[in-house]
Amino acid sequence: SAVISQKPSRDICQRGTSLTIQCQVDSQVTMMFWYRQQPGQSLTLIATANQGSEATYESGFVIDKFPISRPNLTFSTLTVSNMSPEDSSIYLCSVEDGQTDTQYFGPGTRLTVL
Amino acid sequence: GIQVEQSPPDLILQEGANSTLRCNFSDSVNNLQWFHQNPWGQLINLFYIPSGTKQNGRLSATTVATERYSLLYISSSQTTDSGVYFCAVERSASGTYKYIFGTGTRLKVLA
Repeated sequence: SAVISQKPSRDICQRGTSLTIQCQVDSQVTMMFWYRQQPGQSLTLIATANQGSEATYESGFVIDKFPISRPNLTFSTLTVSNMSPEDSSIYLCSVEDGQTDTQYFGPGTRLTVL
Repeated sequence: GIQVEQSPPDLILQEGANSTLRCNFSDSVNNLQWFHQNPWGQLINLFYIPSGTKQNGRLSATTVATERYSLLYISSSQTTDSGVYFCAVERSASGTYKYIFGTGTRLKVLA
């Protein structure tokens, strides 16, 4: 199984600022995913990040608002840009184990925007 | 897009009781997983089960892909089972793979 860490674990930010969330995996993985979980809701996929190519965004999410980097096979960042209170959520990264097709999640970043 | 509905949305049990959680999906899928999100927000993978039946201790799961549903059974529930249970289904589209999460079942086990 993959061990995933995220930084920061939580943050409180002011409206109009940006926050970059880091995701580190203890093994090389091809596919990394970023999810958003709004309070009391299920998980919604933001984008799929593959190393060496641009991220693929889901409907309702755009690169200008959620730029993603994937510089290597163990690391990715998600930036939440020009934040508003509606961006207050838990942001989770996940990876898929290529051998078992099992998905593993990081501990999440709890973001509050004032 | 594919719809993934879970029932019941909320469930309260006394410790020691058994329960069945259901996941219905609206289209064929490649894979299905069950997750438990503990009260601290951490998501734990319970089962990878695109079809058939699997068991792990007090938990078991069954997926009937042809009828587009999956069931998660919890026996002899414990307070540590509390949290939210999600099923997630994977579909491939144009060579990409992604999981779509269900609506979730919020479980509270009382001592």
